Amino acid sequence: DAKTTQPNSMESNEEEPVHLPCNHSTISGTDYIHWYRQLPSQGPEYVIHGLTSNVNNRMASLAIAEDRKSSTLILHRATLRDAAVYYCILRATIPNAGGTSYGKLTFGQGTILTVHP
Amino acid sequence: NAGVTQTPKFRILKIGQSMTLQCTQDMNHNYMYWYRQDPGMGLKLIYYSVGAGITDKGEVPNGYNVSRSTTEDFPLRLELAAPSQTSVYFCASSYSFASTLANYGYTFGSGTRLTVV
Repeated sequence: DAKTTQPNSMESNEEEPVHLPCNHSTISGTDYIHWYRQLPSQGPEYVIHGLTSNVNNRMASLAIAEDRKSSTLILHRATLRDAAVYYCILRATIPNAGGTSYGKLTFGQGTILTVHP
Repeated sequence: NAGVTQTPKFRILKIGQSMTLQCTQDMNHNYMYWYRQDPGMGLKLIYYSVGAGITDKGEVPNGYNVSRSTTEDFPLRLELAAPSQTSVYFCASSYSFASTLANYGYTFGSGTRLTVV
């Protein structure tokens, strides 16, 4: 499985933009780049995903390098509620015995984001 | 719309006991997954299902069993509980992996914290 590398931790101030980097140099052509975040004692929450082009949604933006070997999650204005562990994940396509496939998410250790008031 | 519901939220088992972790989703998702998360670690896939009647093993299936009789329900069975199964268990669901929508991802439940003593 292709792996991702993220910084262990990052800090930001409230109301400032946050850029969370992720390296995935062994990404394959069919791997989608997913970002999830996990607040303490909660399940992971989907943030954003993309394949090749940059993506925007109400939560964040995802900037994908042209060679797809790295990506950056951008939180435009950090709030205290954005403090969480952020996971950069490559979703691999795995065939199963029935002839169909499923998307496999392989979680690493993520980046702990601390937001200061 | 409740999303993914897991029960119970907490459970303490004695070594050798059995239990079933329940997972229900009301989004008509065809794919469902069970993950476990050990302290300070990312999530690891236990089992997954691509539809009613179809299940397959993930990365760490030993000691667990699943069934998928309906689209909505995907219970995880622990037979002969062991201390190594002390963990937080998350159920998730998704549509087909081949989504091109920018705001689409996996929906996780809030987890079941299991302690085996």
